[in-house]
Amino acid sequence: QITLKESGPTLVKPTQTLTLTCTFSGFSLSTNGVGVGWIRQPPGKALEWLALIYWDDDKRYSPSLKSRLTITKDTSKNQVVLTMTNMDPVDTATYYCAHRAIQDYGGIQNWFDPWGQGTLVTVSS
Amino acid sequence: DIQMTQSPSSLSASVGDRVTITCRASQSISRYLNWYQLKPGKAPKFLIYAASTLQSGVPSRFSGSGSGTDFTLTISSLQPEDFATYYCQQSYSTPTFGQGTRLEIK
Repeated sequence: QITLKESGPTLVKPTQTLTLTCTFSGFSLSTNGVGVGWIRQPPGKALEWLALIYWDDDKRYSPSLKSRLTITKDTSKNQVVLTMTNMDPVDTATYYCAHRAIQDYGGIQNWFDPWGQGTLVTVSS
Repeated sequence: DIQMTQSPSSLSASVGDRVTITCRASQSISRYLNWYQLKPGKAPKFLIYAASTLQSGVPSRFSGSGSGTDFTLTISSLQPEDFATYYCQQSYSTPTFGQGTRLEIK
């Protein structure tokens, strides 16, 4: 059974750097094809994909947030860490991490499943 | 970025109704389209991949269709537990989500 759990501060001040940790079990981030992604949802707004790290340490970022994001992995600890710099109140959101699954299904299909419960981060002075 | 546009943004329906949610991609994504269900305070639930393949355990009243740029999610007979917000997501390139469709009880 795959599980993921997000951890980090619930409150950060504007201009600070946010560091979130995703601790997972039930899979290895050294397995071919596996990835972990971060997605957020501001209150009352839509889901927004942020970043993705693959088993081979390849990384992908949302173009609109790329300059502020860094994603890293610690395979031995089964953790993925997301940092976001220069936090602003508009970054207030529930932040989720999710397992990226793949399947060869007429092409390499991929999706996020399962997800963690999410962690609400509020940006306020 | 590939933009995903869902319609409607909200929908009121009754238990037993058949509902359809539409998702349109800004360019062709073949069948690289996933659907998720979100409920407040719960982890998002993955429903469908490859536009029409139900994830294991998802009730058969859910179905998906489409390819290219136009996709639909249909719930054939709404159950009380189906009232939630639904999102499409393209997996053709770096992921993007639709803006969501909130399904409310009439």
